[in-house]
Amino acid sequence: ELKVEQNPLFLSMQEGKNYTIYCNYSTTSDRLYWYRQDPGKSLESLFVLLSNGAVKQEGRLMASLDTKARLSTLHITAAVHDPSATYFCAVDLPTSGTYKYIFGTGTRLKVLA
Amino acid sequence: NAGVTQTPKFQVLKTGQSMTLQCAQDMNHNSMYWYRQDPGMGLRLIYYSASEGTTDKGEVPNGYNVSRLNKREFSLRLESAAPSQTSVYFCASSEGYGGGNTIYFGEGSWLTVV
Repeated sequence: ELKVEQNPLFLSMQEGKNYTIYCNYSTTSDRLYWYRQDPGKSLESLFVLLSNGAVKQEGRLMASLDTKARLSTLHITAAVHDPSATYFCAVDLPTSGTYKYIFGTGTRLKVLA
Repeated sequence: NAGVTQTPKFQVLKTGQSMTLQCAQDMNHNSMYWYRQDPGMGLRLIYYSASEGTTDKGEVPNGYNVSRLNKREFSLRLESAAPSQTSVYFCASSEGYGGGNTIYFGEGSWLTVV
C-alpha cells in the first residue's frame, strides 16, 4: 500500500524566512505533484516533478525530487501578505488502465505578522 | 473555462437519507476521481474511473457507489448517509494515459449528515 507522508503538519512562518516541507513516499515512483489549497477552496496545481533530480521554481516556491530517497521537498520564502494555505504532495500509482493519485495529509502554513 | 464542475456545493442530510453528488468535466479527460477531505487526513480516494464504463474502488469506498455515466460525467451516491460521511467531497479528472498528468479538481461539495 502506497503511503505518502508530509512533515511538518503545521508551520508558523515569519516573513522573509525560508522553510521546507518534506514529502516522503513508500513506493518507487519518478513523479511527484505539489498542490496548494486556500481555506475553503479547491486544490490548485503548483508543480509536477517528472524525474530524479527535477527542480522547479515559481516565485517564492521551489520544489525538488529525489526518487532514490523517495523524497520531495518544497521550499517556501514567507511573505506577510501570504494567506494561510495548505500544501499537499501526491504520488501517482499505475492501476487498472489509469493512474490513481495518493495524497499526503497536507501541511498547513500560517505567516505571522 | 469550466474545468471540473460539481453540484451541489452545500448539502445537509439526515442520517439514512440518500443523495447523489454530480460531477462533469469539459477537458475530454479519460479518468475521473472522487475524494473526500477530512481534517488532519488529507484527501482520501473513494472511487475512480479509468474511462467510460469502468469504475474501481479507492482507499475508502464503503458506503458509496459511483456511476460513470459517459466520458464527461461521474456521480457519487450515498445510499444511506451516516454522520461519518460528513466531509468535503472533491471530484477530479486527469488525462489518464501515461504518467505525469496533472489532476484537476472541482470546487468541492460540503456535506453534513446530522
